[in-house]
Amino acid sequence: DIQMTQSPSSLSASVGDRVTITCRASQGISNSLAWFQQKPGKAPKSLIYAASSLQSGVPSKFSGSGSGTDFTLTISSLQPEDFATYYCQQYSSYPLTFGGGTKVEVK
Amino acid sequence: EVQLVESGGGLVQPGGSLRLSCAVSGFTSSRYWMSWVRQAPGKGLAWVATIKQDGSEKYYVDSVKGRFTISRDNAKNSLYLQMNSLRVEDTAVYYCTREGSGDYWGQGTLVTVSS
Repeated sequence: DIQMTQSPSSLSASVGDRVTITCRASQGISNSLAWFQQKPGKAPKSLIYAASSLQSGVPSKFSGSGSGTDFTLTISSLQPEDFATYYCQQYSSYPLTFGGGTKVEVK
Repeated sequence: EVQLVESGGGLVQPGGSLRLSCAVSGFTSSRYWMSWVRQAPGKGLAWVATIKQDGSEKYYVDSVKGRFTISRDNAKNSLYLQMNSLRVEDTAVYYCTREGSGDYWGQGTLVTVSS
C-alpha cells in the first residue's frame, strides 16, 4: 500500500499569509494526486487534481505542484474562508489512500 | 448541476446489515468510476471501495473485503454499498464520490454501529 504523509498536521496562520502544505508518497505516484478542503460538518471539496490542475470554480489562490513522491499545496493569501482541514489523496493504485490531514487554524 | 445524494444510514447493532444508496444527477453516471469514502468521528478520510463504469471491476480496502459489496445501476443513476457483518469500527459518515480523484462528493450519510 502507498502511504501518504502530510505535514504539518496543523498550523496557525493569519489572514493574508502564504501557506504551504506538503504531502509525501511512500513510492512514486507520477502526478496522480488530489487535494481536498473540508470544513467542520461538511463534505470534502475537491481543489486540485493531477497534482497541479485546479478544479473548475476553485479560486486561483490555490495551487498545487509536484510529481513522483513529493507534492505541495499552496494558498497564496489566506482568507477567513480558507480556515479548514486539507487532505491529499493518491489515486495511482489501489488501495486509494489519504494523508492524515492538515488543520489550518487562526493565529 | 452535479449532485450526489446518499441515503440509507442509521443505527445498527454489531453483526447487522445496511444498504447505502447514492443517487446521482447532473451527469451520466455510466461514464464514470464511482467510489465510497468514509470518515469515522473526529478522524480523517478513508477510502472504502470503487467500481468501474460497467461494474466489471471492483476494488475494496482490506478491512471490508468479504463484508461489503459495491454495486451500481446505471439505468437508475445510482450507486450502492451493501454492508454486512457490521462492526463498531465501521461507524462513520459514508460519502459517495465521482472518479478516483474525487471531483464531486455527496453530503454523506451517518452509519452508527452500536449495541
